[in-house]
Amino acid sequence: GQNIDQPTEMTATEGAIVQINCTYQTSGFNGLFWYQQHAGEAPTFLSYNVLDGLEEKGRFSSFLSRSKGYSYLLLKELQMKDSASYLCAVAGSYNTDKLIFGTGTRLQVFP
Amino acid sequence: SAVISQKPSRDICQRGTSLTIQCQVDSQVTMMFWYRQQPGQSLTLIATANQGSEATYESGFVIDKFPISRPNLTFSTLTVSNMSPEDSSIYLCSVVGSANTEAFFGQGTRLTVV
Repeated sequence: GQNIDQPTEMTATEGAIVQINCTYQTSGFNGLFWYQQHAGEAPTFLSYNVLDGLEEKGRFSSFLSRSKGYSYLLLKELQMKDSASYLCAVAGSYNTDKLIFGTGTRLQVFP
Repeated sequence: SAVISQKPSRDICQRGTSLTIQCQVDSQVTMMFWYRQQPGQSLTLIATANQGSEATYESGFVIDKFPISRPNLTFSTLTVSNMSPEDSSIYLCSVVGSANTEAFFGQGTRLTVV
């Protein structure tokens, strides 16, 4: 079966660093995506990992370990506007590119 | 990147009626995806819309309830049929970029069934 797990909620302080974990078990793997979604808005793309290792993009970094079925999203220098839901999604099939989403992690940043 | 126009952005419908949601992409894409996001939850894939063939539905979703059209490579519609309050959700269409490294989403349709 397909299973993607994330913590439901996290809190952090402005200026801090937060790591959001995602573990997955899927029948296939063609990459892992992280999306940010503010309340009432569509998801926006943050990162894509298909090979093991760390991908850095500004304040956001994403890590993947395919052997462990594990990824994390690292947010540095947190800002109030980073308060949002963060969705982990796996492209489980090469032929269709459909994404299977995790439950999402609601991050709240406090001053 | 792809720009996706989805409409309507929101609607309030009576139970028992149907609503058709449209999704227009600014470039040709092979597959388009329709997702549902129930209140406070993550995205669930409804079906993959293939041009020139019937849509492929995920477990728990059937064509009679969610008929899909894909008349060309830039357009698709999803109909929510015989609606009930349980169908109140946000419906999103999505396409994968040409490099297969990013998926783009429409703005979503917020449906409320009363």
